[in-house]
Amino acid sequence: EAQVTQNPRYLITVTGKKLTVTCSQNMNHEYMSWYRQDPGLGLRQIYYSMNVEVTDKGDVPEGYKVSRKEKRNFPLILESPSPNQTSLYFCASSKDRGLSGELFFGEGSRLTVL
Amino acid sequence: KQEVTQIPAALSVPEGENLVLNCSFTDSAIYNLQWFRQDPGKGLTSLLLIQSSQREQTSGRLNASLDKSSGRSTLYIAASQPGDSATYLCAVRGANSKLTFGKGITLSVRP
Repeated sequence: EAQVTQNPRYLITVTGKKLTVTCSQNMNHEYMSWYRQDPGLGLRQIYYSMNVEVTDKGDVPEGYKVSRKEKRNFPLILESPSPNQTSLYFCASSKDRGLSGELFFGEGSRLTVL
Repeated sequence: KQEVTQIPAALSVPEGENLVLNCSFTDSAIYNLQWFRQDPGKGLTSLLLIQSSQREQTSGRLNASLDKSSGRSTLYIAASQPGDSATYLCAVRGANSKLTFGKGITLSVRP
């Protein structure tokens, strides 16, 4: 089944404790992206990648890191999480470097930073 | 900077009604526009994707249109059902593959 898989789905952590949210897709998509969704602010792009070893900042990259060492995986790293990073996070992927393809989303990862 | 607007933020209709959800965007230089559905606490499910060269796309009771020159798209839902209750988001794909989302319209279909 074609899908985008995120882990963990739910996480409660404390300020400053490094964490990684994994994202994996099985559709051989070139384009992958991370978003956060907050009430009243909608979905905002954090980082995106148009291919292996190519990553670019989105609208709200501060406090996040990503890597794209292989095509199927695009982990989101929070080196020193803070309470303002409490949010619902979504990973998405698309073919054709994202220019024309449909975007597929993971189920989301709800992160709480205390 | 691309801005995507969806008005109203919420809509409540009786079952069986045909309805139109609107989406407007400020920069007409787009590659495509995609409509999504999101159920509470869940991920986004793609409904329809319209390429910039297309005028409309249809899937079952859903029809989406695109007028790039005027910066507008509509999602038409025929014969609405309580199961259609969800938040509907539109997103436009612009330069560098950047996707910009509207804030969504929360639809409630009353039995």
